[in-house]
Amino acid sequence: AQSVTQLDSHVSVSEGTPVLLRCNYSSSYSPSLFWYVQHPNKGLQLLLKYTSAATLVKGINGFEAEFKKSETSFHLTKPSAHMSDAAEYFCVVSDPLNTNAGKSTFGDGTTLTVKP
Amino acid sequence: DAGITQSPRHKVTETGTPVTLRCHQTENHRYMYWYRQDPGHGLRLIHYSYGVKDTDKGEVSDGYSVSRSKTEDFLLTLESATSSQTSVYFCAIKPAGGADTQYFGPGTRLTVL
Repeated sequence: AQSVTQLDSHVSVSEGTPVLLRCNYSSSYSPSLFWYVQHPNKGLQLLLKYTSAATLVKGINGFEAEFKKSETSFHLTKPSAHMSDAAEYFCVVSDPLNTNAGKSTFGDGTTLTVKP
Repeated sequence: DAGITQSPRHKVTETGTPVTLRCHQTENHRYMYWYRQDPGHGLRLIHYSYGVKDTDKGEVSDGYSVSRSKTEDFLLTLESATSSQTSVYFCAIKPAGGADTQYFGPGTRLTVL
């Protein structure tokens, strides 16, 4: 079984300040972990992914995330928020493809607001 | 663009009517998924497919059925739509092998009156 908990449903930051979106997970396997972003009335776009390579993962638009197995966490960070970062962010854990057809479990999402 | 289309993109229907949503991919990927997205719930898996005619249930499968008669198409059917099925529906594909990233379609907004 697998699960994902996004610890904050809403995060508000000022433009130019750091962003931290928190995600904890549980999985019976060596998981793949992802962060997706969804802008209003849009589809989901992959920000970054962890698949058992480097624990610090760099993604698009200056985002990065660190896989910490001991803490079962995969928090998303960005050094300096931009107004265009305002969106909903989803943390996702996936089983391996040879297990349960690679089913994914989504967190409930974190809405990021960026204030001018 | 991962070559995924969904149709229709918007639909309004009445309670009790059947509805079929279509997901079409041009990538020939083996794995396909249907999700629904509701406020405060993220995306929840309805059904998934791991090959032609090979499908299985997800966490919210009640009231839904699926079919996959060819690799490129994955159909989601609401046999008798209810207001609780008003949602945004997303299809996703996943290549076999590699880093198993999911790629999502643009979504279908379904309203059941």
